[in-house]
Amino acid sequence: EVQLQQSGPELQRPGASVKLSCKASGYTFTEYYMYWVKQRPKQGLELIGRIDPEDGSTDYVEKFKNKATLTADTSSNTAYMQLSSLTSEDTATYFCARRGTTSGPIDYWGQGVMVTVSS
Amino acid sequence: DIQMTQSPSFLSASVGERVTLSCKASQNINKYLDWYQQKLGEAPKLLIYNTNNLHTGIPSRFSGSGSGTDYTLTISSLQPEDVATYFCLQRNSWPNTFGAGTKLELK
Repeated sequence: EVQLQQSGPELQRPGASVKLSCKASGYTFTEYYMYWVKQRPKQGLELIGRIDPEDGSTDYVEKFKNKATLTADTSSNTAYMQLSSLTSEDTATYFCARRGTTSGPIDYWGQGVMVTVSS
Repeated sequence: DIQMTQSPSFLSASVGERVTLSCKASQNINKYLDWYQQKLGEAPKLLIYNTNNLHTGIPSRFSGSGSGTDYTLTISSLQPEDVATYFCLQRNSWPNTFGAGTKLELK
């Protein structure tokens, strides 16, 4: 069974950084991109970027290039996203989700993690 | 970036009713269009991929169609468990982009 298990909720101060994790199981980690998606409260879905765990290559949506850093550890089948210089605009739920590197849709999602930025 | 416009933003329908949701792209996306269902407090769930392919385990009352810039998700007979927000996603080009969603409620 494919599972993407994300880390727990975060409460951070403005200006801080946070590193979120997404542990994959039930499939070959290196055969699927890991996407990261942002959803602000009662808002739509916003793509942040993706990483190919096979070689660590990344693609970012332009507006997140200086905000998010995606990495992956193939020894633990875990993907990470670090968010830097947090502001209230970063308060959101963040999802990881997988997509086959050769083709196909984003088919499985993590449960999401809520990040709250507040002083 | 390709813009995805969903309509309507909000839809109220009765159980058993046929429901049609629309997604329009700002340019041709070559049928690389997926539909997701998101219930309150949950992660999105894939319903339809590549315009008209039903994902594993999804009920057959869901179907998709379209080409070029115009795409449709149809629920043939609305069920109470279909109350959710529905998003479309284009995968034709990077960055992939989502529509703003259609919130579906029961009348």
